[in-house]
Amino acid sequence: DGGITQSPKYLFRKEGQNVTLSCEQNLNHDAMYWYRQDPGQGLRLIYYSQIVNDFQKGDIAEGYSVSREKKESFPLTVTSAQKNPTAFYLCATHPTSGKTQYFGPGTRLLVL
Amino acid sequence: SQKIEQNSEALNIQEGKTATLTCNYTNYSPAYLQWYRQDPGRGPVFLLLIRENEKEKRKERLKVTFDTTLKQSLFHITASQPADSATYLCALDITSGTYKYIFGTGTRLKVLA
Repeated sequence: DGGITQSPKYLFRKEGQNVTLSCEQNLNHDAMYWYRQDPGQGLRLIYYSQIVNDFQKGDIAEGYSVSREKKESFPLTVTSAQKNPTAFYLCATHPTSGKTQYFGPGTRLLVL
Repeated sequence: SQKIEQNSEALNIQEGKTATLTCNYTNYSPAYLQWYRQDPGRGPVFLLLIRENEKEKRKERLKVTFDTTLKQSLFHITASQPADSATYLCALDITSGTYKYIFGTGTRLKVLA
């Protein structure tokens, strides 16, 4: 997991509630990513950011929002518009000079 | 759209044998392909990268091949051990310069003692 911290490990969301997943890194990597993993579907890209104060939508951005105010932090908010949020959420980083992604330990989001 | 296919069925092999996992892709010509290992409830961990101009790459008991004509990569684990049991994911870079990747669904490998 390296220098990437995701919290909490488990998160429970009530209907109509927004929740925020934390991702912090001390690897000094410029690029950060959020993926969603469902059984049998692999990793799907939600949002990514290559630089502070800039981010782009991935393949399944609807119902999610992000911010990148600091290089070290890339929080993901799962809004009430995301109707099927139950999944394993993975944060990743990427150094500018490398070709490898580094993943955090993940957050499992469950709906009550 | 870009698509990656990996064996969706789990692969069970006997300890000491060679495990071979397949990654097939369509509609793209990636500059490189990567393999990751993922244990249950944890994030993927990078294993190997192979570039489009490389046929084969090795790291200890791991070997990766890349056939850009067939649009296929094979991932081999020789002298497999129960500790090698995990899900293995392949990934392609799909947009040059943005470090944007597409991942396969993964193949679950179980090495039987």
